[in-house]
Amino acid sequence: AQSVTQLDSHVSVSEGTPVLLRCNYSSSYSPSLFWYVQHPNKGLQLLLKYTSAATLVKGINGFEAEFKKSETSFHLTKPSAHMSDAAEYFCVVNRLYGGATNKLIFGTGTLLAVQP
Amino acid sequence: GAGVSQSPSNKVTEKGKDVELRCDPISGHTALYWYRQRLGQGLEFLIYFQGNSAPDKSGLPSDRFSAERTGESVSTLTIQRTQQEDSAVYLCASSSGTSSGTQYFGPGTRLLVL
Repeated sequence: AQSVTQLDSHVSVSEGTPVLLRCNYSSSYSPSLFWYVQHPNKGLQLLLKYTSAATLVKGINGFEAEFKKSETSFHLTKPSAHMSDAAEYFCVVNRLYGGATNKLIFGTGTLLAVQP
Repeated sequence: GAGVSQSPSNKVTEKGKDVELRCDPISGHTALYWYRQRLGQGLEFLIYFQGNSAPDKSGLPSDRFSAERTGESVSTLTIQRTQQEDSAVYLCASSSGTSSGTQYFGPGTRLLVL
């Protein structure tokens, strides 16, 4: 079965410092992995997506994530945090079964706080 | 429209009443999904529509929940005899329907059952 584990429920960084949001996945085959961001009172927005092409995936707003099969990880990073990055981040794996439903399995989320 | 839209944005109802939530997917998207997000939690899959195929209802929590979609257009999620534990944000997403198609989410309907 496919699942994701977000290792930190809350992360706090200072503006201008690096961001690391950790995610480990479990999948019986090569998965597609995603990071979504949810700003307060706004919809979910796709940050980036891994679909077995390059293992280092670049997304919007300077975020990137590296797929590491040996570690079953897909951590999200950004070199320098901005105040506008404060939001909740979800690591997501897709679950394909029966050749039909592309069901997304969401992690429990990491709330990122950015201090001035 | 440019994105997925949902209505109403907020709904307050009394326990035992029925509610109907609406989702307008991105034009041309054949796949449509409903998810539920309880406070402080990730999203739970509810139901999936793909074109004219039979929907995947495997995530519906009880028979009080049902959803309909006509063709590749609007979908409605109905909750009958609402309970307080139904309080959550209900999110709709649509995608192009391919196996790796990115899902685009609407802003959600925040449901509060008193």
